[in-house]
Amino acid sequence: QKEVEQNSGPLSVPEGAIASLNCTYSDRVSQSFFWYRQYSGKSPELIMSIYSNGDKEDGRFTAQLNKASQYVSLLIRDSQPSDSATYLCAVNTGGSYIPTFGRGTSLIVHP
Amino acid sequence: GAGVSQSPRYKVTKRGQDVALRCDPISGHVSLYWYRQALGQGPEFLTYFNYEAQQDKSGLPNDRFSAERPEGSISTLTIQRTEQRDSAMYRCASSSKYNEQFFGPGTRLTVL
Repeated sequence: QKEVEQNSGPLSVPEGAIASLNCTYSDRVSQSFFWYRQYSGKSPELIMSIYSNGDKEDGRFTAQLNKASQYVSLLIRDSQPSDSATYLCAVNTGGSYIPTFGRGTSLIVHP
Repeated sequence: GAGVSQSPRYKVTKRGQDVALRCDPISGHVSLYWYRQALGQGPEFLTYFNYEAQQDKSGLPNDRFSAERPEGSISTLTIQRTEQRDSAMYRCASSSKYNEQFFGPGTRLTVL
């Protein structure tokens, strides 16, 4: 059973702070990792993908991957109230084109 | 360009009726996925296609669920003899590379 675990939250941070969202996965053969943002009542929207160990930065977002420890994280710098949403982690195992999604972490950025 | 579209956006049906949910992917996207999402959960995989070929249907709950993509573009998810437990948000996503998924707005199905 391939599992992707996320703390459901909510994670509450003040505006301007760094929000840190974490995700662990069970299958060591996993090779592709994605973060999606889902606003309430809307569809998931891809914000980051990462495939190799280390950090990947895109604007205020940084994805961090550690395959040895089987976790992937998303950092949001200078958090804004508009970042308030549920963040979904998705993982593909090697050779599989079927992503397994976590249940998502709710982020609240308060002014 | 146009994103993924789904129709209808909302469907209310009576138990025992058949329903057909439609997905129109981003033009040129090879892969098309169907998911079901419960409130407070991530999308749950149902089935996916590459072009017109159904690659995996292991997530379909039972044989009342079927899907097709006859010309490698638009796809239809059909639920026969609907039951109340089928009520959910059904989402479609298309993908062109590296399995990055682009989701449609979803169809909210309510079975009375």
